[in-house]
Amino acid sequence: GQNIDQPTEMTATEGAIVQINCTYQTSGFNGLFWYQQHAGEAPTFLSYNVLDGLEEKGRFSSFLSRSKGYSYLLLKELQMKDSASYLCAVPTASGGSYIPTFGRGTSLIVHP
Amino acid sequence: DGGITQSPKYLFRKEGQNVTLSCEQNLNHDAMYWYRQDPGQGLRLIYYSQIVNDFQKGDIAEGYSVSREKKESFPLTVTSAQKNPTAFYLCASSLGQWGETQYFGPGTRLLVL
Repeated sequence: GQNIDQPTEMTATEGAIVQINCTYQTSGFNGLFWYQQHAGEAPTFLSYNVLDGLEEKGRFSSFLSRSKGYSYLLLKELQMKDSASYLCAVPTASGGSYIPTFGRGTSLIVHP
Repeated sequence: DGGITQSPKYLFRKEGQNVTLSCEQNLNHDAMYWYRQDPGQGLRLIYYSQIVNDFQKGDIAEGYSVSREKKESFPLTVTSAQKNPTAFYLCASSLGQWGETQYFGPGTRLLVL
């Protein structure tokens, strides 16, 4: 089965740090993705974690704990343009292949 | 430039009408996907195709149909059987069927008149 949970909405102040959590339940884990989606636009790839630990990429970092079924996306030095929806996605094993399953997304609002 | 395109950007459907959404990619990807997104919702999988001439139903396939006659193209038809078609439709592709990164088109917003 597949279940992905993430908060619906978060707010933060420009220049601050925010952590967006994602928990998942899956059989046959094959990595976890984070995508960013601005309103009315397509999702774009942010990060991919398949091993435990923290992956840092500029202002954005992503963490994974496979034993806990848990990931977070950490955004530092927030900018107004970071206001967007952040989607957690986990490929689900299906008939010998993997099909992406998405969480509902976390809408992040950055205010001055 | 390699990428994935969708057309049209906006589409209006009359009651009882079938409409087709276009999706084309020149990334040489084997796998292609169609998602539906409703306000405040995540992406729900309609259909996917992992190879030419083959496709599979996703979680919400009822009222939709697809074809995959060419590697580059994966059109989605919203039939009259889909009673609530108003949504944002996203097409995506990935290199293969092993959970690789997905690349998304700009989306088509379908509205019912």
